[in-house]
Amino acid sequence: DQQVKQNSPSLSVQEGRISILNCDYTNSMFDYFLWYKKYPAEGPTFLISISSIKDKNEDGRFTVFLNKSAKHLSLHIVPSQPGDSAVYFCAASNYGAGSYQLTFGKGTKLSVIP
Amino acid sequence: NAGVTQTPKFRILKIGQSMTLQCTQDMNHNYMYWYRQDPGMGLKLIYYSVGAGITDKGEVPNGYNVSRSTTEDFPLRLELAAPSQTSVYFCASHRGGSYEQYFGPGTRLTVT
Repeated sequence: DQQVKQNSPSLSVQEGRISILNCDYTNSMFDYFLWYKKYPAEGPTFLISISSIKDKNEDGRFTVFLNKSAKHLSLHIVPSQPGDSAVYFCAASNYGAGSYQLTFGKGTKLSVIP
Repeated sequence: NAGVTQTPKFRILKIGQSMTLQCTQDMNHNYMYWYRQDPGMGLKLIYYSVGAGITDKGEVPNGYNVSRSTTEDFPLRLELAAPSQTSVYFCASHRGGSYEQYFGPGTRLTVT
């Protein structure tokens, strides 16, 4: 039973355009969400996060949107750059239960075409 | 500051052999985790620790053991390796009060 779902295994975007990566979750107890970026043969690195009390968080070219009623979040990358080509993982946690454990989606492989 | 280091980077085991995957962090983080990532899948939590001497099971603990005798080290032990344990293993850590986990580079393990 997947609690965090990333339904698009891959996404291709032209350099300079917007990349939108989507994530859905089923556990209504999740209250903190994170995006991680992973290059081949490396460990994931933290990108951006959002608490359930917010609906948007920005950090430079990266913006995460949270729609709690739809149990959906998205990561926007504008403008996309070739160096953004990587696998992006969505992760969620239930901080309200005192847990830092993360539940990960399967990931979306983003390819930014020069 | 090396962050989270993992050894070895690669290993091939025969069925039934055992080994220990090493993980060390130099950030004085209390929280440490072991994940496995199978092809096309997300990371699944094997074991975690909230501090020295305290460990607990994650989602997929069967076939693994851990110990946490120091803040820095969190080794993962595989006993009686099986082909189903072929995977990439990641260690991660973070400080209390933060959700941002720092990951090591991973260990690619093949059991044949």
